[in-house]
Amino acid sequence: GAVVSQHPSWVICKSGTSVKIECRSLDFQATTMFWYRQFPKQSLMLMATSNEGSKATYEQGVEKDKFLINHASLTLSTLTVTSAHPEDSSFYICSVVRSGRNTIYFGEGSWLTVV
Amino acid sequence: RKEVEQDPGPFNVPEGATVAFNCTYSNSASQSFFWYRQDCRKEPKLLMSVYSSGNEDGRFTAQLNRASQYISLLIRDSKLSDSATYLCVVNPYTDKLIFGTGTRLQVFP
Repeated sequence: GAVVSQHPSWVICKSGTSVKIECRSLDFQATTMFWYRQFPKQSLMLMATSNEGSKATYEQGVEKDKFLINHASLTLSTLTVTSAHPEDSSFYICSVVRSGRNTIYFGEGSWLTVV
Repeated sequence: RKEVEQDPGPFNVPEGATVAFNCTYSNSASQSFFWYRQDCRKEPKLLMSVYSSGNEDGRFTAQLNRASQYISLLIRDSKLSDSATYLCVVNPYTDKLIFGTGTRLQVFP
C-alpha cells in the first residue's frame, strides 16, 4: 500500500484563491518532507524542504510568502498556494525519506489548474 | 551548467531493441544515484539505484563512472510497457534529490 498519501490529486481553482495540498506519511514519522513542482515536459524542481516544528527551507527563486509550508506534525506537511495564478498551474508532489533505509517515497502528486 | 543533464529524447525503438540512456552530473561530491521511471501524469517510481560497481536488475543495467561524472541505463529486450520517461536522479547532500529533465522512451510494436 501507499507509504505517502497526497491530497487532493486534482484541483481546479479560480485565479486569486488559495489552495492547500496535504502530504501524509502513513507508515513512519517524518521530520523532513520535500515539495517539488513539475511543469509539463520539464524536470521535477525542488521547491522547499519542510521541517517539522520549524520553518521550511525554500530553494532559490521560490517565493516563501506565496507557497506556504506548514509541518505541524511528524506525519503531515501542507503546501498552500496563495493567491494562485494560471502560471502556478503545475504538478506538485511531495516526498519523504525514510532515515536509516535511505529510501525515498513520493506522494501520488497533485495536479493544480488555476483558471 | 545544469546539475543533472540528460538527453530528452524521445527515443523511439521497436520491441526487443536495446536502448541506452546517459546522464551527467556536475557535483563531484554526489553520493547517491538513481534511475526513476515516470509515467505520464504520475509520480516518479524508483527503477533502480546505481552503484559504483554497476548493477543489473533483469533487463536493466545501470553503470556509474565517478571520474567522468556519468551515469547510464541500459534496457535490453524492450517491452511496450517500458514506454515512459526515465529520470536520472542525483543525491548530492542531505536527502535532497536533483532530477534530470528525463529521457522519453517510446517502444513500438
